[in-house]
Amino acid sequence: AQTVTQSQPEMSVQEAETVTLSCTYDTSESDYYLFWYKQPPSRQMILVIRQEAYKQQNATENRFSVNFQKAAKSFSLKISDSQLGDAAMYFCAYRSMYTGANSKLTFGKGITLSVRP
Amino acid sequence: DAGVTQSPTHLIKTRGQQVTLRCSPKSGHDTVSWYQQALGQGPQFIFQYYEEEERQRGNFPDRFSGHQFPNYSSELNVNALLLGDSALYLCASSEYRGGGNQPQHFGDGTRLSIL
Repeated sequence: AQTVTQSQPEMSVQEAETVTLSCTYDTSESDYYLFWYKQPPSRQMILVIRQEAYKQQNATENRFSVNFQKAAKSFSLKISDSQLGDAAMYFCAYRSMYTGANSKLTFGKGITLSVRP
Repeated sequence: DAGVTQSPTHLIKTRGQQVTLRCSPKSGHDTVSWYQQALGQGPQFIFQYYEEEERQRGNFPDRFSGHQFPNYSSELNVNALLLGDSALYLCASSEYRGGGNQPQHFGDGTRLSIL
């Protein structure tokens, strides 16, 4: 079974600064997908960024980028130029590639990010 | 284009009662997954429905059951409610034949409180 670990329960960043959220995972599979989801107080889980394990290039979406280290099974999220609206709970998630688009998501426990004005 | 919709938003029940939660998937999606999110925790997979059948199931007791209708909407039923069932229940939809990297789209959830 796959597991996802987010060991930092909380982090804080100054507005306009950069912050990195850590995530490690454990799997015996060679092909899979990794995701970062954001959950603001409104509760809706919003996709931030995704990475295919077979791609060596790290994914980037505007101010969000990842550092994917497959051998180390590490998948960190970097948020640049932090904004007040980035304050939320962030979840790292894993999905197997073998059962396709409908494989379940396995989530970490999440990290609460606060942004100081 | 409507996203995933869930009802009700919030529900209060007492121990031993039964509850039904509802989900309508995003337009064009035919697969519905349910997750339970305890306070301060990450979501845990309950089960997934496609073509009106349960396709995958997480580590949840038989008290948790579901149904999918021909219009792809889904219900989550929980019997004999326990205090530990208090959580946010999230519904996510996807397209079964979609690309493997396609994300699941989540609803706003139903907050279930057990007294």
